[in-house]
Amino acid sequence: QKEVEQNSGPLSVPEGAIASLNCTYSDRGSQSFFWYRQYSGKSPELIMFIYSNGDKEDGRFTAQLNKASQYVSLLIRDSQPSDSATYLCAGGGAGNNRKLIWGLGTSLAVNP
Amino acid sequence: NAGVTQTPKFQVLKTGQSMTLQCAQDMNHNSMYWYRQDPGMGLRLIYYSASEGTTDKGEVPNGYNVSRLNKREFSLRLESAAPSQTSVYFCASSEIGGETQYFGPGTRLLVL
Repeated sequence: QKEVEQNSGPLSVPEGAIASLNCTYSDRGSQSFFWYRQYSGKSPELIMFIYSNGDKEDGRFTAQLNKASQYVSLLIRDSQPSDSATYLCAGGGAGNNRKLIWGLGTSLAVNP
Repeated sequence: NAGVTQTPKFQVLKTGQSMTLQCAQDMNHNSMYWYRQDPGMGLRLIYYSASEGTTDKGEVPNGYNVSRLNKREFSLRLESAAPSQTSVYFCASSEIGGETQYFGPGTRLLVL
């Protein structure tokens, strides 16, 4: 059973701090990983994706991938109250016919 | 560009009634997906269509049918609704060769 696991949280950080969200996956064949943000009552929206080992930065967001440890993380620098949402991690790969394997999400609360 | 659109936004059904959820995308994407999202269960794939003319079951297909009407439209039908189908339904699409999925706004379904 291919799985993506996330700590459900809630993760609570003060405004301006770095929020660190983590995800582990079981399928070593997964080639790509995605982070989505979902506000309460809304649909998931893509934040960023990562295919290669190492870091990928986009504004205040940095995704990190370690394929040897089967670990993906998302760092949010200078966290804002507007970042309060549920963050979904998903893994894909050639063996999944373009389907994504979804984690259950981590709830993040940024406190002013 | 409207992206992915879904109708209706909200629906109340009685047990045994049928209905069709509509989804359309204007991004010329090949693949389309139907998910349901329940508290504590995350996103679960119901059906997907890798390309026009093909459909395949996801992890929770029982009680549902789908039609890929053309490249733009992918509908989900509940033939005889049950209270267990009370959920939020999301449609998503992805471009050819890609795994990044773009979501519609969702349909909130209540089955009494």
